[in-house]
Amino acid sequence: DVKVTQSSRYLVKRTGEKVFLECVQDMDHENMFWYRQDPGLGLRLIYFLYDVKMKEKGDIPEGYSVSREKKERFSLILESASTNQTSMYLCATGLAGADTQYFGPGTRLTVL
Amino acid sequence: AQSVTQPDIHITVSEGASLELRCNYSYGATPYLFWYVQSPGQGLQLLLKYFSGDTLVQGIKGFEAEFKRSQSSFNLRKPSVHWSDAAEYFCAVGAPTGNQFYFGTGTSLTVIP
Repeated sequence: DVKVTQSSRYLVKRTGEKVFLECVQDMDHENMFWYRQDPGLGLRLIYFLYDVKMKEKGDIPEGYSVSREKKERFSLILESASTNQTSMYLCATGLAGADTQYFGPGTRLTVL
Repeated sequence: AQSVTQPDIHITVSEGASLELRCNYSYGATPYLFWYVQSPGQGLQLLLKYFSGDTLVQGIKGFEAEFKRSQSSFNLRKPSVHWSDAAEYFCAVGAPTGNQFYFGTGTSLTVIP
């Protein structure tokens, strides 16, 4: 079974803080994805990485950056957190862009 | 452009009743098709997927889905719903030629006793 873990289930940060959300996978997948999920808006892709290091912006990359120091770890960085970034953040991994994605449990981030 | 439509935002069924959740997609060729389930406060769990072959796909938790090319649909079904099936259900499409992945906006299922 694919196991995808996220560093925190719940996180509370203050406006202006730099926030790191980390995702770890144990399946040697090339591709990793970060989504945010908000009521009524479904899942929106923030960034994804393919072929380990190739970075692609998703639908809503503004205010976010990503880092992948090792193949199994993928971090989403909020450079200066704002209240409109309060959301549920989901990490996913997969073999290819169109293939099955496997999700972590999510991090619910609140920015005060 | 590729898209995924789940026409029903919310569905309520009685426990023991049958269930069908609708999903339509727009894509020029045969896509990869998926159904995921999300329990409150959790991540998404894969229920089933279709890549090719038999158009009726069996998944976990007693779910099945049928790919109908002529209708561009991939509807999810379950013959008898259990209270634990209450969750959010997402249809998704993988577009092999563009190496892209698209989610529908989800259908929330409520199960009443």
